[in-house]
Order: sequence, then structure tokens, then C-alpha cells
Amino acid sequence: EDQVTQSPEALRLQEGESSSLNCSYTVSGLRGLFWYRQDPGKGPEFLFTLYSAGEEKEKERLKATLTKKESFLHITAPKPEDSATYLCAVRSSGNTPLVFGKGTRLSVIA
Amino acid sequence: AAGVIQSPRHLIKEKRETATLKCYPIPRHDTVYWYQQGPGQDPQFLISFYEKMQSDKGSIPDRFSAQQFSDYHSELNMSSLELGDSALYFCASSLMGENTEAFFGQGTRLTVV
Repeated sequence: EDQVTQSPEALRLQEGESSSLNCSYTVSGLRGLFWYRQDPGKGPEFLFTLYSAGEEKEKERLKATLTKKESFLHITAPKPEDSATYLCAVRSSGNTPLVFGKGTRLSVIA
Repeated sequence: AAGVIQSPRHLIKEKRETATLKCYPIPRHDTVYWYQQGPGQDPQFLISFYEKMQSDKGSIPDRFSAQQFSDYHSELNMSSLELGDSALYFCASSLMGENTEAFFGQGTRLTVV
């Protein structure tokens, strides 16, 4: 059974204080690891997809990396508007449903 | 760019009533997924459709049913509503094939009173 574990559950940062969120996964055959951002009461907003170990993707202050067992979402010099829950999900084959982790609640304090 | 459209955005129902949630996928997307998200919880997969046929089934109660229509929109029908059904219901769409992303709608907040 595919499993995704995210850590920490919650993270509080000062504005400009860089950090990383972790997503560990167990999947029979990885066909994509997905990062989403979710604001309260809103739908998950797509950020990145990573497909193979060693792959990296960047978007503004965010950078996602992937190994064979985990993914990291690095946040460089975060701003208060980066405060949200960050969800990690995996897909094991084709168009099968995404399996989500429980997310990391990020708070960035000015 | 067009996104996934869900309606209604908010819905209040009484116990034992029925509810119908609608989802309009991104144009040309052929796969629709339904997820339920309780307060402080991660999204839980309910059911998915590809080309109007059910493709995967998750933790969807027997009281719920869903279908995908010829124009690819999908409806989630919920009967005999219970207080515990109160949650955010999300629809996501994607294009069949390897290496495709799933994009989510803004959700329907269902409150059962």
C-alpha cells in the first residue's frame, strides 16, 4: 500500500528564515511525486511534479528535490504570504488516484 | 487558463437529506477524481472516472454514488446525509497517461446540520 509521511506537522518561521519540509514515501512504483499548496478552505494548488531521483524543480522561493525515498521542499527567504499547508502526494501508476500525506502547516511571521 | 469548476461552493443540508455536487473538469481532461477533506485532515480519495467509466474506488460510502457524463462533467450524489459527512469535497481532473498532473477545483463545503 502506498504511504506518504510528511514532517514536521507544523513549522513556524520568521520572515527570511529558510527551511525545508520533508516528504517520505513508500510506493510500489513511483509515477510521480506531487507538491501542492493549500490555503484554508481552498482547493490544493499545484506546485510541482517530480518523476525521478535527482530531479529538481524551482518556482520563486520554492525548490523541490527528489530521492528514491523522500522529497524535500526547500523554502528560501520565506515571506508571510508563503503561509499555507503544503501537501505531498504520490501516484504509483498511470492515472491512479493521488495518495496524500497529512501536510505541513507553515506559518511565516513578519 | 480554465480551471476545474465546482458547484455549489457552499451547501447546507439537514440530516437524512440528499445532496448533489457538480464538477466541470479542465477542457480536454478525461479523468475526474473526487476527494473528501475533513477539518485538519488530508484529502481522502473517494472515486474516479475515466472516459465516463469508474476507474478507481476509494473510501466512498455506499450512500454516495457518482457518475461522469458525456461532456466529462461529474456529479457526486450523496443520500441519507449524516453529520459526519460535513467536509470539503474536492474534484480534480487530469489527462490520462503517464506523467500527468491533477488539478483541483476550489471545492464544495458541505455542512450537515
